[in-house]
Amino acid sequence: NAGVTQTPKFQVLKTGQSMTLQCAQDMNHEYMSWYRQDPGMGLRLIHYSVGAGITDQGEVPNGYNVSRSTTEDFPLRLLSAAPSQTSVYFCASSYNGGGYEQYFGPGTRLTVT
Amino acid sequence: AQTVTQSQPEMSVQEAETVTLSCTYDTSESNYYLFWYKQPPSRQMILVIRQEAYKQQNATENRFSVNFQKAAKSFSLKISDSQLGDTAMYFCAFMKRTTGTASKLTFGTGTRLQVTL
Repeated sequence: NAGVTQTPKFQVLKTGQSMTLQCAQDMNHEYMSWYRQDPGMGLRLIHYSVGAGITDQGEVPNGYNVSRSTTEDFPLRLLSAAPSQTSVYFCASSYNGGGYEQYFGPGTRLTVT
Repeated sequence: AQTVTQSQPEMSVQEAETVTLSCTYDTSESNYYLFWYKQPPSRQMILVIRQEAYKQQNATENRFSVNFQKAAKSFSLKISDSQLGDTAMYFCAFMKRTTGTASKLTFGTGTRLQVTL
């Protein structure tokens, strides 16, 4: 199993550009989520999904869109990048409910200039 | 809403010594899970230990153990016989246990642990 994969590992964008961060898992997990990690703030939940076709907002959803057309994939879209979106982004997956371990991808470091 | 507080931004411990990382949380839920995750310089998030709130017994995983005080809403992590490989950022996290609720994690701000020779 590859676990949770994320692409790209690094990305630099100019303000106003859009892009999609890719996330995929091969563990047949129902639950997938996106977090951003900023210095001194821990990880904050952006969006999450409990299954294909079902998504919901987390703590900091503004400026981001998600969709879940398959169990395996959960892309995160930045609509119009802003410097405040400079961060490290993590995708995670797990079985839903029951306090199961969440498996994290390796992260994407995004810089918006 | 739940909040998780880690009041120690940085800590240092000598190799082979014991160190305790603090975590407190605030919730109105009675059933939940608590986790400690480790993030080494590689940036990968790794689960260290998990505690179910309805279990009174403290969880242990080899050199890692927790002191779970439900009434005080405290969940500290003890690392025994510290090793250089324990150098990392440690995050405390909370998850509700309600049936049908999504497995959302709420993280603390982290404690950076440095293990020295």
